[in-house]
Amino acid sequence: GEDVEQSLFLSVREGDSSVINCTYTDSSSTYLYWYKQEPGAGLQLLTYIFSNMDMKQDQRLTVLLNKKDKHLSLRIADTQTGDSAIYFCAESLSGYSTLTFGKGTMLLVSP
Amino acid sequence: NAGVTQTPKFQVLKTGQSMTLQCAQDMNHNSMYWYRQDPGMGLRLIYYSASEGTTDKGEVPNGYNVSRLNKREFSLRLESAAPSQTSVYFCASSDGGNNQPQHFGDGTRLSIL
Repeated sequence: GEDVEQSLFLSVREGDSSVINCTYTDSSSTYLYWYKQEPGAGLQLLTYIFSNMDMKQDQRLTVLLNKKDKHLSLRIADTQTGDSAIYFCAESLSGYSTLTFGKGTMLLVSP
Repeated sequence: NAGVTQTPKFQVLKTGQSMTLQCAQDMNHNSMYWYRQDPGMGLRLIYYSASEGTTDKGEVPNGYNVSRLNKREFSLRLESAAPSQTSVYFCASSDGGNNQPQHFGDGTRLSIL
C-alpha cells in the first residue's frame, strides 16, 4: 500500500535555508505535492512536481525528486519567520483522484 | 475569492448528539473530499465524492455519512457523536480526474464531550 513519511520537526534560523524531506513507497505516484498549514488555517498548496521531472523551482522554493529512491525534498531559501508552519507532502496515484498525505513537518524559524 | 467555505468554524457537542458539517465550493470543481486532522496523524480521508451523484469511503469512514447535495455542496454528518470524533475537519475540492491539486477550506474544530 501507499505510505508517505516525513520527519516531524525542523528548526532553522532566519535567513538560513530549510530542507524538508519526504519519502513515499508507491512507484505509481504521478504528482507529488507540498502544502503549507499555518496555525488555525487550512492547507495551502505551495507547489507540485510531476513524477517525470527531477526539479522544479518557484521563487524561494525548490523541489527535488529522486524517483529511484522515492525521495522528495522542499528547499526554502532565505527562510523567514513567516515560513513557520507545518508542511505536508502528498502523493497522487495514477488513476485516482485522492491524495495520500504524510503526517507533516513542523518548521520553526527563529530570529 | 471564497474558494472552499466550511460552516461552522467551531462546535461543541455532547456524546450522542448529531451534527452536520457543511462545505461549499465556488470553483466549479467536480470532486470534493472530507478529511480529519488529529495530532500526530496527519490528514486522513473520511469520504470523497469524485463527481456529483457519487460518494466513496476513504480511510476512516466509520461513524460518518456524507451527502453530495449538488455540484457545489458536500456535507458530512455525525449521527451519534463520540469523543473519538473530536478533531479538526477539513473539506477540499479539486477538478477531479488524475493529478489535480486539492483546495482546502479553513476547517471546522469539533469537540465532543
